[in-house]
Amino acid sequence: SQQGEEDPQALSIQEGENATMNCSYKTSINNLQWYRQNSGRGLVHLILIRSNEREKHSGRLRVTLDTSKKSSSLLITASRAADTASYFCATDTDNYGQNFVFGPGTRLSVLP
Amino acid sequence: EAGVTQFPSHSVIEKGQTVTLRCDPISGHDNLYWYRRVMGKEIKFLLHFVKESKQDESGMPNNRFLAERTGGTYSTLKVQPAELEDSGVYFCASSPTGSRRNTIYFGEGSWLTVV
Repeated sequence: SQQGEEDPQALSIQEGENATMNCSYKTSINNLQWYRQNSGRGLVHLILIRSNEREKHSGRLRVTLDTSKKSSSLLITASRAADTASYFCATDTDNYGQNFVFGPGTRLSVLP
Repeated sequence: EAGVTQFPSHSVIEKGQTVTLRCDPISGHDNLYWYRRVMGKEIKFLLHFVKESKQDESGMPNNRFLAERTGGTYSTLKVQPAELEDSGVYFCASSPTGSRRNTIYFGEGSWLTVV
């Protein structure tokens, strides 16, 4: 069964608006990470949040983690056209294994 | 420092043909992973090498897929014979040994189209 599931599957917003994407997972995790994939390009790591953390910031990104609800959110503030991409959450369940389980992703379109 | 490199970046082959994808991890990284995303679906784990040994190959879909890692350096993923459903992007990633919760580094992917 799928570990991470993002919603919405697709999101269109205007430049300057904020974008929020959510990720839910099923089993206990050690860490949750968010990645971005631009069309035709590879995966870029955005941010890692550990299971004992509740919120983390990196530039225009804010990630929250609620382990009681097994969910995470990624907020991109003041979005730009260059933020257009697919965003994936990835979870792992043990300290040294790095076999992440990815969700299906959210396709974000930021319109100029 | 060079990142994870994959070759070819794009490949179009006919059903029944063979394709070999290559991944060069970041120098010094003992851990090497293959993932794939087919038909716009989720990214799925295929297998994990530690040096030249297969640590976990539970994600390999069937025996048409063969992964090797010669001498614990670069890795190849061969699909033989290729089927239409194998179309997608194949990602390679690497990470150093003993890295507790280090981020793994992904390559740009090899985009495979089977026609």
